[in-house]
Order: sequence, then structure tokens, then C-alpha cells
Amino acid sequence: KNQVEQSPQSLIILEGKNCTLQCNYTVSPFSNLRWYKQDTGRGPVSLTIMTFSENTKSNGRYTATLDADTKQSSLHITASQLSDSASYICVVILSYNTDKLIFGTGTRLQVFP
Amino acid sequence: EAQVTQNPRYLITVTGKKLTVTCSQNMNHEYMSWYRQDPGLGLRQIYYSMNVEVTDKGDVPEGYKVSRKEKRNFPLILESPSPNQTSLYFCASSVTSGETYEQYFGPGTRLTVT
Repeated sequence: KNQVEQSPQSLIILEGKNCTLQCNYTVSPFSNLRWYKQDTGRGPVSLTIMTFSENTKSNGRYTATLDADTKQSSLHITASQLSDSASYICVVILSYNTDKLIFGTGTRLQVFP
Repeated sequence: EAQVTQNPRYLITVTGKKLTVTCSQNMNHEYMSWYRQDPGLGLRQIYYSMNVEVTDKGDVPEGYKVSRKEKRNFPLILESPSPNQTSLYFCASSVTSGETYEQYFGPGTRLTVT
């Protein structure tokens, strides 16, 4: 069964600290993996997109890594800011159907001053 | 500005009263989708459309209908809403670029069915 699991479910950190969110997937065949940021009550916004041949992708203070062998991805946030408080969703896309997305349930991150 | 718009943003209705949530994109994307988001379940695809007049069921299509008469519009129709359709709904449009696939989400529609 195609699944995407994220951990932790929720995370609280202090402003300025770093954190890492995890994503494990069993999706096959794999096309690409993306991380989204979703602010409360708003639509998800893409942070990074990686194909199976890419190991890392950065977007400002966000760095995503991908290990296609172990089917794991992580999102590292550096020097967190209050505006980073949001849900972060890992999404894997099937290679035979580019509109078939498998969503993780997300990690809820809260950054406190 | 490239965007996906949804209307209404908030809706409270009663069981059985037909409703339509509109979705429009100005990016000339071929692919459009509808999702619902419920606590602890993540986003689940309801229906998707690969082009005008081409639609297909997603993971949770029961109780919903869609149509794609124009490329820019993809309305979601609930013929007889029930309380278990209370949820946060997102429309998305997408385009493939090389090996990657970029998807843009609308702002969401919070639906409550009493």
C-alpha cells in the first residue's frame, strides 16, 4: 500500500533553533517528493521538489534531503523564525500518474519566542 | 498574478441542500484536482481532471461530482451534503515541467454541514 508517514506529529521549538522533520514513504513507483508548508486555514505552498535522482534541495533556510534507497526524506529548518509556525506536509508523486499524490498527515511546528 | 481561487471561503449549510464550490485558475494548467483535509488524515483527493471534459475519481469521490467544461474552471458539486462532508476543501491546479510537477493550491473552503 502506498503510504507516507511523517514524524513527529507535532514539534515545539524556540525561535532561532534548528529542527528536522522526517518523512518515510512506501510509494512505488516513485517520481518525485515535495515538501509543502501550510499555514493555518490556508492552502499548502510548495517548499522543495526533488526527483529520485536528487539528494538535497534548498530553499532559503529550508533544506530537504532524500534517500531513495531507504525511502526517507527530511526537512531541516535552520535558525527558525516565528513565521515558520505551520504544518509541513511531505508528498510523494507516483511516476505513472503525475496527478496522483500521496500525502503525509503533516508535522505541526510551533516556534515560540 | 498566478493564482487559484475558490468560492466561497466559508459555508455553513444543512443536510441535503445542494451546493457548489467554485474553483478557477489563471495559469492555463491542464490538471486540476479537489482535495479534502480532515484532522489526522491529511489531504485526500476527491476528483481530478486531466483536461477539459476529462475527469476521474480520486480516493474519496463518494457524495461528490465535478465538471470541467472550461480549462480554467473546476467546480465541486455536493448534490445532497451530509454532516460527514464537513471538512476543509482545497482546489489545486498543476503543470508538469520536465521531471517535476508543480501544483498550486487554492486558499481553501471550510464547509460545515449541519
